[in-house]
Amino acid sequence: DSGVTQTPKHLITATGQRVTLRCSPRSGDLSVYWYQQSLDQGLQFLIQYYNGEERAKGNILERFSAQQFPDLHSELNLSSLELGDSALYFCASSISGGTTDTQYFGPGTRLTVL
Amino acid sequence: GNSVTQMEGPVTLSEEAFLTINCTYTATGYPSLFWYVQYPGEGLQLLLKATKADDKGSNKGFEATYRKETTSFHLEKGSVQVSDSAVYFCALSDSMDSSYKLIFGSGTRLLVRP
Repeated sequence: DSGVTQTPKHLITATGQRVTLRCSPRSGDLSVYWYQQSLDQGLQFLIQYYNGEERAKGNILERFSAQQFPDLHSELNLSSLELGDSALYFCASSISGGTTDTQYFGPGTRLTVL
Repeated sequence: GNSVTQMEGPVTLSEEAFLTINCTYTATGYPSLFWYVQYPGEGLQLLLKATKADDKGSNKGFEATYRKETTSFHLEKGSVQVSDSAVYFCALSDSMDSSYKLIFGSGTRLLVRP
């Protein structure tokens, strides 16, 4: 158990809908990352937050947004869903977000868009 | 840009065989290097890491040495077990990238037969 929790574990929805994925980092970790794992794209970085502030964006679509709350949990919002958004979404956390930090991954949320 | 290249899988071995999974990288700064493992239906777990040249990471019988001259971080294990069957990801975090995101290779599936 990494200490990172993600809910829900599975999510099935229809095209055009909006969903929210939730992540709670390990106790004491200030940095949260979101990654998408798909068969065609592999593991791709989406966005990073550090202590409530957005630090970096990766290959995140404009239809996607995220935030980190004062209690440090994070939510990833996916809207106007398309079939191609079906993937496994991972949250990871680290102490400070530095190069040498270990990122600890949650179990993921599997999103299926029908 | 930064990238990680892993050998294609699947790799199929008999129990107690020697394992090597090749990983090479391209980075602009002084990256930290990681091996993560993903068991079926689970999230990513850190297997080992190395944060500077010539460092050797080791865990659970797995080893990898950070070779700056060959830009490599090959994963090795002297005697694999059936329980090692999983997908292995090589990753880097670059000091020149302010996000310190992880850049992953495509993953190598290992299947160990009894």
